[in-house]
Amino acid sequence: QVQVVQSGAEVKKPGSSVKVSCKASGGTFSNYGISWVRQVPGQGLEWMGGIIPIFGTPNCAQKFQGRVTITADDSADESTSTAYMELSSLRSEDTAVYYCAAGRYYYGSGSYPHYYMDVWGKGTTVTVSS
Amino acid sequence: EIVMTQSPATLSVSPGERATLSCRASQSVSSNLAWYQQKPGQAPRLLIYDASTRATGIPARFSGSGSGTEFTLTISSLQSEDFAVYYCQQYNNWPTWTFGQGTKVEIK
Repeated sequence: QVQVVQSGAEVKKPGSSVKVSCKASGGTFSNYGISWVRQVPGQGLEWMGGIIPIFGTPNCAQKFQGRVTITADDSADESTSTAYMELSSLRSEDTAVYYCAAGRYYYGSGSYPHYYMDVWGKGTTVTVSS
Repeated sequence: EIVMTQSPATLSVSPGERATLSCRASQSVSSNLAWYQQKPGQAPRLLIYDASTRATGIPARFSGSGSGTEFTLTISSLQSEDFAVYYCQQYNNWPTWTFGQGTKVEIK
């Protein structure tokens, strides 16, 4: 079972960008879908977006369209099997813990892939403050 | 976007009692629904996937049911370690997934 290791905490100024990484450990992301989930202090989980690296095309929630960029490096090489989430135009409301979560994708009865998230990183705290 | 609505927001239960948590989807998600448990300061943990399948290592007191738009997570006899926040999440509506707002299970 692959594990994920996230990058460390960040402190950013309003208007700047932050890029958080999520590296595979003990395997690669070859057969996985990866989601980015954020949690503002005291609030619930919010799905931001995701990517299935072998497909390459990222997707994000409407709320974050235009501000979030999700990418992934070569998923077949463990040394480089890493996903990234970049959030731009930061504001104080973006102060949160950002989680990377992964799960093996599969096809059910339809033509679209599914995955649930059974591997979670420890989270990356991003603080936006002037 | 599919909206997931959980109820109640807070559930007060005594240890040893049964807890029943609900999750409703704004449109059918088939059985593509997961439940997660989150304790303070920790990452979420997968409990149930495909609406009713327990994840690896999850005790049998946790069970999930439902399909379509109505889902239930039942904890048959609450243990002290089960007091936490529980989230449902749909992974049917490719390419966007959504979470419910969570149910906090607290000690009565």
